[in-house]
Amino acid sequence: QKEVEQNSGPLSVPEGAIASLNCTYSDRGSQSFFWYRQYSGKSPELIMFIYSNGDKEDGRFTAQLNKASQYVSLLIRDSQPSDSATYLCAVNGVGNQFYFGTGTSLTVIP
Amino acid sequence: GAGVSQSPRYKVAKRGQDVALRCDPISGHVSLFWYQQALGQGPEFLTYFQNEAQLDKSGLPSDRFFAERPEGSVSTLKIQRTQQEDSAVYLCASSLWDRSQETQYFGPGTRLLVL
Repeated sequence: QKEVEQNSGPLSVPEGAIASLNCTYSDRGSQSFFWYRQYSGKSPELIMFIYSNGDKEDGRFTAQLNKASQYVSLLIRDSQPSDSATYLCAVNGVGNQFYFGTGTSLTVIP
Repeated sequence: GAGVSQSPRYKVAKRGQDVALRCDPISGHVSLFWYQQALGQGPEFLTYFQNEAQLDKSGLPSDRFFAERPEGSVSTLKIQRTQQEDSAVYLCASSLWDRSQETQYFGPGTRLLVL
């Protein structure tokens, strides 16, 4: 079992819709959770991090964390074509190791 | 510096050749990480430095892989006797402190192709 699981997609949503990206993790001791966006051929860039149970909002992005269910999600409201990318979920592990999921490919259709 | 830089951006090597990949982290960042990203996959952890100390090298796939950060800033990832399965993008990331909650900032990566 991989440390971090994501639905690889592809996920397609129309412009203006809400995109929902999901991630589960296996290590109950994990404390830090990150969402990165990666455009094709580019390096990952941080979108949001969340440490506490509940919701965290930043502009059009909302991260949700449920440690009991070992589940973290990212909602993108009012999706734009520029949001089309691969979204990587990352979770801290032992020491300073970070485990990444395989990523979910999102396409926003104009 | 303004961000994490890596060189070369692209490297083509013949199987069996040794390669060296360089990473310049953000100035003052304590922690430095190397990842390997295969096509269609997420980054896979290779190794981690706190200043010049290599604290975790559990992700290095074989003893052909070696990393160093002798002065606590620039780091080099060396791959000896490259194999085709080493073809991937090698990402370097740095973070300001040595805490698990720290955000990692990624460089542009080095795309390695072993023929």
